[in-house]
Amino acid sequence: DAKTTQPTSMDCAEGRAANLPCNHSTISGNEYVYWYRQIHSQGPQYIIHGLKNNETNEMASLIITEDRKSSTLILPHATLRDTAVYYCIVRTNFGNEKLTFGTGTRLTIIP
Amino acid sequence: NAGVTQTPKFRVLKTGQSMTLLCAQDMNHEYMYWYRQDPGMGLRLIHYSVGEGTTAKGEVPDGYNVSRLKKQNFLLGLESAAPSQTSVYFCASSYRTWVAGENEQFFGPGTRLTVL
Repeated sequence: DAKTTQPTSMDCAEGRAANLPCNHSTISGNEYVYWYRQIHSQGPQYIIHGLKNNETNEMASLIITEDRKSSTLILPHATLRDTAVYYCIVRTNFGNEKLTFGTGTRLTIIP
Repeated sequence: NAGVTQTPKFRVLKTGQSMTLLCAQDMNHEYMYWYRQDPGMGLRLIHYSVGEGTTAKGEVPDGYNVSRLKKQNFLLGLESAAPSQTSVYFCASSYRTWVAGENEQFFGPGTRLTVL
């Protein structure tokens, strides 16, 4: 799996959009970008994924640059419950179902 | 649906003791995984299974054994516990599909293990 680089920590004011960056400069053409989060030592939770188009679901939006070397996870209206560690992961879907977790970004939502 | 459950939630062992962690899922998933998470670190894959009766090594398999006798259960065993195995253990499961997003992993709540 390609390596990802994320900032160690970020703060965001409650109600504002939280933008979490991720660099994946060695991503291959058949690798997807996945985001998971882990709230206070609970099991990680899937958020969103994408290949090359921007994606949106009920939890977040994912913006992938045209060269696919970086992406941004956007939480449009952050709440205190969004305080968590966010993991950016790249992986293929061809016979490799494993996830490789880095250290992620610790996002703190400030009241 | 209960999703992914893990038993026990907490356990304290002495060095050299053995124990088995149980993971159960009720989503009819083919794939199951065991991860460990040490303080301040991301999850690391210990072992995984792509189907009933099959297992494979992950990133950090030493000191652990696994079994998948039933599709819904995945057991992680520590034959002779060591302090280095103090960690939080997470189980996960997923469908066996190559459709992106449909193979997301669902995680259990974790087992906190301390080895003295």
